[in-house]
Amino acid sequence: DAKTTQPTSMDCAEGRAANLPCNHSTISGNEYVYWYRQIHSQGPQYIIHGLKNNETNEMASLIITEDRKSSTLILPHATLRDTAVYYCIVRVATNTGNQFYFGTGTSLTVIP
Amino acid sequence: EAGVAQSPRYKIIEKRQSVAFWCNPISGHATLYWYQQILGQGPKLLIQFQNNGVVDDSQLPKDRFSAERLKGVDSTLKIQPAKLEDSAVYLCASSLQGYNQPQHFGDGTRLSIL
Repeated sequence: DAKTTQPTSMDCAEGRAANLPCNHSTISGNEYVYWYRQIHSQGPQYIIHGLKNNETNEMASLIITEDRKSSTLILPHATLRDTAVYYCIVRVATNTGNQFYFGTGTSLTVIP
Repeated sequence: EAGVAQSPRYKIIEKRQSVAFWCNPISGHATLYWYQQILGQGPKLLIQFQNNGVVDDSQLPKDRFSAERLKGVDSTLKIQPAKLEDSAVYLCASSLQGYNQPQHFGDGTRLSIL
């Protein structure tokens, strides 16, 4: 059911920027891209979302390509606490509500 | 603000027994979701409520799973009878009403079926 493709795992050195890619080639014009992360034994945590323009908040930046077929989540200065599974989700708007389809995500390991 | 509260945190039962999970969403959040997360997979939506009405339960195995949100606030998810394949983490999420609202998750209930 998931409409996104992410690498299974990635490593990043502590203090460096972590760039997590996501492909969503079948995205529709009114669908948003959301990013969540899940630290072990916790529920998913909302990070950021966007439609067309690049977005930035206190946690991360989201870069969406002009054709909207892919995006990149950027954690500017990764710390050990950023080790988690990161999910890229395209929000499917149905006539009964807003459905989230999670894939298997990218397991990010921040290395000291 | 207080987050989404779920209980119990862990539950162990034998197959064919019944079990119930409880969720208290963030205050003011009209939309409530229940997800099932099997080990190694992403969360899978089971049911979505808008206030006390069901918006979508197409992925809920209705022969054994049921959920309610009687007063539009707290919600319970029940499994009766449980099967081995129901072993998973059951996550509750809530959001403000509206098209573009992020969901906020609780830490879930980890269910083990013996």
